[in-house]
Amino acid sequence: EIVLTQSPATLSLSPGERATLSCRASQSVSSYLAWYQQKPGQAPRLLIYDASNRATGIPARFSGSGTGTDFTLTISSLEPEDFVVYYCQQRSNWPLTFGGGTKVEIK
Amino acid sequence: EVQLLESGGGLVQPGGSLRLSCAASGFTFTTSVMSWVRQAPGKGLEWVSVLSGSGGSTNYADSVKGRFTISRDNSKNTLNLQMNSLRAEDTAVYYCAKASGTYDWHFDYWGQGTLVTVSS
Repeated sequence: EIVLTQSPATLSLSPGERATLSCRASQSVSSYLAWYQQKPGQAPRLLIYDASNRATGIPARFSGSGTGTDFTLTISSLEPEDFVVYYCQQRSNWPLTFGGGTKVEIK
Repeated sequence: EVQLLESGGGLVQPGGSLRLSCAASGFTFTTSVMSWVRQAPGKGLEWVSVLSGSGGSTNYADSVKGRFTISRDNSKNTLNLQMNSLRAEDTAVYYCAKASGTYDWHFDYWGQGTLVTVSS
């Protein structure tokens, strides 16, 4: 099973700042990595797929990069609604796995 | 508009059974790969199972293999999850999710979830 480790667990930033979230895989997942955003009480929303492709309707301030084992989700300038939880997910191998999540909180 | 609406959650005793359903609309259900993902209270996401559009190919997380069965009724645009021998650790919100493509197993649409509580 591929283990995805997200860091940091919590990221404390202010609105307007840049957020950099990390997802590290225990073995290569090529570019088969997605990022999701989850607001409290809501279902996850797909942000990025295949490492760097923005999903439909996702603002340009969200971007993804990486390949192999190291991936990054960047939020260029945090909006108030961005202070929630983010998960990565790999689809390279079965079973599909998710990272443990990063919570972005207001500093 | 894509809609996924789960139902069937509730309180069940350990060792009991429950059947979840997900009613789909707004897309071509018959060719879409569908999945169940769960989230224990206050915890992260855990993939549970996936089913091909035809229903002929399935995969399960080890934690549910042999106890859960995923199925679909393409005539009714419905995805199901039969859960047997339930354990306390199966307590979670269960989400129905649509995969982006036949081999693109990331999820572009999600339902709002149904809560399953396993407790005596």
